[in-house]
Amino acid sequence: EVQLVESGGGLVQSGGSLRLSCAASGFSFSTYWVAWVRQAPGKGLEWVANIGQDGNELYYVDSAKGRFTIYRDNAKSSLYLQMNSLRVEDTALYYCVTDQRGAFDYWGQGTLVTVSS
Amino acid sequence: EIVLTQSPGTLSLSPGEGATLSCRASQSVSGNHLAWYQQKPGQAPRLLIHDTSNRATGIPDRFSGSGSRTDFTLTINRLEPEDFAVYYCQQYGSLPRTFGQGTKVEIK
Repeated sequence: EVQLVESGGGLVQSGGSLRLSCAASGFSFSTYWVAWVRQAPGKGLEWVANIGQDGNELYYVDSAKGRFTIYRDNAKSSLYLQMNSLRVEDTALYYCVTDQRGAFDYWGQGTLVTVSS
Repeated sequence: EIVLTQSPGTLSLSPGEGATLSCRASQSVSGNHLAWYQQKPGQAPRLLIHDTSNRATGIPDRFSGSGSRTDFTLTINRLEPEDFAVYYCQQYGSLPRTFGQGTKVEIK
């Protein structure tokens, strides 16, 4: 069974940093693209970033460029999102997802990031 | 950036009825790479349809997708009680990947 378990969310002040983690199991992690998708409270979905199998291909939504870094450790079957210079508008539930050529087929339960002013 | 506009915002229907959800793109979606997701309160989204019309693993055949270029449709035949949820479309033909704002299917 595919499992994606996020952690690392919490309350942080504007301008602060957080590192999100996602522990994957039940599939061959190193052969999958993976991504982060977020959802602000009561709002819709927004793709944040994705990363290729070997970690060399990285893509970000414009609002994350220069502030967020996605990376992975295939030996640990883990995905990360380092978030710096956090803004109030980054407040959201952050989901770790598998990326099947662009469609997100497996989702974790999410970790909540709250940025206060 | 491709903007996806879903309509209607809310669909009020009774169990057993059919539902037709629309997703319109601001420009052509390359390769018709469009997906649909279902999200229930307090849950993560679930992939229903990928590449416009292909059901994801385990998705019942009352869900079907169609369309091309800028106009896409999700059809749900004979709504079951568990189908009342919010539905999102998403394009992955170009970066950034974008989602529609969602259509809520509620019980009438």
